[in-house]
Amino acid sequence: QSALTQPASVSGSPGQSITISCTGTSSDVGGYNYVSWYQHHPGKAPKLMIYEVSNRPSGVSNRFSGSKSGNTASLAISGLQAEDEADYYCASYTTSSTLIFGGGTRLTVL
Amino acid sequence: QLQLQESGPGLVKPSETLSLTCTVSGGSISSRLYYWGWFRQPPGKGLEWIGTVHYDGSNYFTPSLKSRVTISVDTSKNQFSLKLSSVTAADTAVYYCARLWLWFRAVDSWGQGTLVTVSS
Repeated sequence: QSALTQPASVSGSPGQSITISCTGTSSDVGGYNYVSWYQHHPGKAPKLMIYEVSNRPSGVSNRFSGSKSGNTASLAISGLQAEDEADYYCASYTTSSTLIFGGGTRLTVL
Repeated sequence: QLQLQESGPGLVKPSETLSLTCTVSGGSISSRLYYWGWFRQPPGKGLEWIGTVHYDGSNYFTPSLKSRVTISVDTSKNQFSLKLSSVTAADTAVYYCARLWLWFRAVDSWGQGTLVTVSS
């Protein structure tokens, strides 16, 4: 199974908004509403930011939102802050009863 | 608050078996709602799912590692373990244990990770 496709990097200035895409196939992203997003600061434990495409866990800022159209899911971050600088990964359930991740996107806050 | 802590050797020789244990505190490993999994991140690369297990014995593995992976649960110790056989340098990575809500819905709690290096 191939990894989901994410841009290697995105950047934005404080206060701006950015979007990270996650493209799969009809066998994963497009086939289920089981896409999740994780924030990972190097050396720390990954953190769940979005689950089931657009749901935010308790404690996650409402500046983070998720959506999906066809085989592509997206994570949007509004009002960028310095602490948002991290790696972001999408993940999806697949028709093979497996879990597949994207290659990761490095977010730089300029 | 749930905590997960990985433990095991940080150095494994090629062709040997990598063994890690995850100790769960602040919650029961026997909950019907939660599954337990292992993930890894090779140096300079992204996250990879290795496998998932439930206390009732059901399990799921990534196809590329399925023939070499065993994940088991010890409910008496509130722990679950990973064994990866016949390791090579390509298995060098930070290994994470984690809790999965309803298997594939979300990985909602992660350990800090432990670096395992495969080298002679």
